[in-house]
Amino acid sequence: EVQLVESGGGLVQPGRSLKLSCVVSGFTFSSYYMAWVRQAPTKGLEWVASINNSGGTTYYRDSVKGRFTISRDNAESTLYLQMDSLRSEDTATYYCTRLVDYWGQGVMVTVSS
Amino acid sequence: DIVLTQSPATLSVTPGETVSLSCRASHSIGINLHWYQLKPNESPRLLIKYAFQSVSGMSSRFSASGSGTEFSLNINNVEFDDVSSYFCQQTQSWPLTFGSGTKLEIK
Repeated sequence: EVQLVESGGGLVQPGRSLKLSCVVSGFTFSSYYMAWVRQAPTKGLEWVASINNSGGTTYYRDSVKGRFTISRDNAESTLYLQMDSLRSEDTATYYCTRLVDYWGQGVMVTVSS
Repeated sequence: DIVLTQSPATLSVTPGETVSLSCRASHSIGINLHWYQLKPNESPRLLIKYAFQSVSGMSSRFSASGSGTEFSLNINNVEFDDVSSYFCQQTQSWPLTFGSGTKLEIK
């Protein structure tokens, strides 16, 4: 059974940092691109970042470039999202996903003073 | 960036009806278009991949077609459980983008 389990969310003040983790099981993690997608309250889905299977190439949406860093540990089958300089508009549920088919349950990040 | 325009924004239907949801891309994306169902407090669920390819475990009432810039998702014999938002997504080019969604309601 495929499982993607996110952790690390919570309430954080603007300007601070948070690191999300996603532990994957059920498929060969190192063979696939992975991504983070978010959904702000009452909004639609928004792609945040992707990483290739080796971790050597990353992609970001413009609004998070320079603030967020996606990375992976293939030995531990874990995907990460380091989020720095957080803003209120980053408030959302963040999903770890093997686009397009497998998704985690999501983790909530709230940026507020 | 490739913009995906979904219509209608909201669709109110009677159980048993057949409906068609539209997703239009600002540039040609081949068949790199996927459809998701998203219910409150649940993770997105893949319905259709690569424009028309069915997904194991999904109801056969869901089908889709299209290529290039015009895509559609069809739901046959709508059921109460289909109440949800439906999103299209393109994986043709970076940044990956989603449509704004169609909310399906039951009358």
